[in-house]
Amino acid sequence: AQKITQTQPGMFVQEKEAVTLDCTYDTSDPSYGLFWYKQPSSGEMIFLIYQGSYDQQNATEGRYSLNFQKARKSANLVISASQLGDSAMYFCAMRPFYTGRRALTFGSGTRLQVQP
Amino acid sequence: NAGVTQTPKFQVLKTGQSMTLQCAQDMNHNSMYWYRQDPGMGLRLIYYSASEGTTDKGEVPNGYNVSRLNKREFSLRLESAAPSQTSVYFCASSAATSGGDNEQFFGPGTRLTVL
Repeated sequence: AQKITQTQPGMFVQEKEAVTLDCTYDTSDPSYGLFWYKQPSSGEMIFLIYQGSYDQQNATEGRYSLNFQKARKSANLVISASQLGDSAMYFCAMRPFYTGRRALTFGSGTRLQVQP
Repeated sequence: NAGVTQTPKFQVLKTGQSMTLQCAQDMNHNSMYWYRQDPGMGLRLIYYSASEGTTDKGEVPNGYNVSRLNKREFSLRLESAAPSQTSVYFCASSAATSGGDNEQFFGPGTRLTVL
């Protein structure tokens, strides 16, 4: 079974600053994927970034990067140059590649508020 | 290309009533999923379908049934709704359940209230 832990229920950041959202995970699967999703107040789930467990380099997508530390089982999301539109809930999720229930397991989320 | 669509967007039921939530995707994906999201929580898997003709239970399947009608459509049925099933329901699809970078694409959600 997989477990995702997001220990920051809420975060504040000033506009244009960088922010790190924490995510730790637990799994016995040797191969897995880690995902971050954004959920604005409108409710939809928006995919942000993906990291595979065998990827050597940290994933980046525009202003989003994933700080992947496999030995520590952490997959923190870094948002650079925060914008007001980044205010939302952020969910970390994971999925094993080949074993067990191959659907996403989500954390409880972090609510990010960007202040002008 | 609409992606993943869900109907209805909102629904209010009385305890004991039944209803079916509809989901369709036009991305030719093999795998489809139903999740529920309760206030202040992440999404939890109810059922999923790895491919047409197969369905499997997720983390919270009690009180629900599903049908993978064809490759495009995956419906979720509540036979006798209970207040504990008040939630937002998301349908999702992905190219496959195995392997790596198989992003799940989500529908807009159905907000269900059971009185």
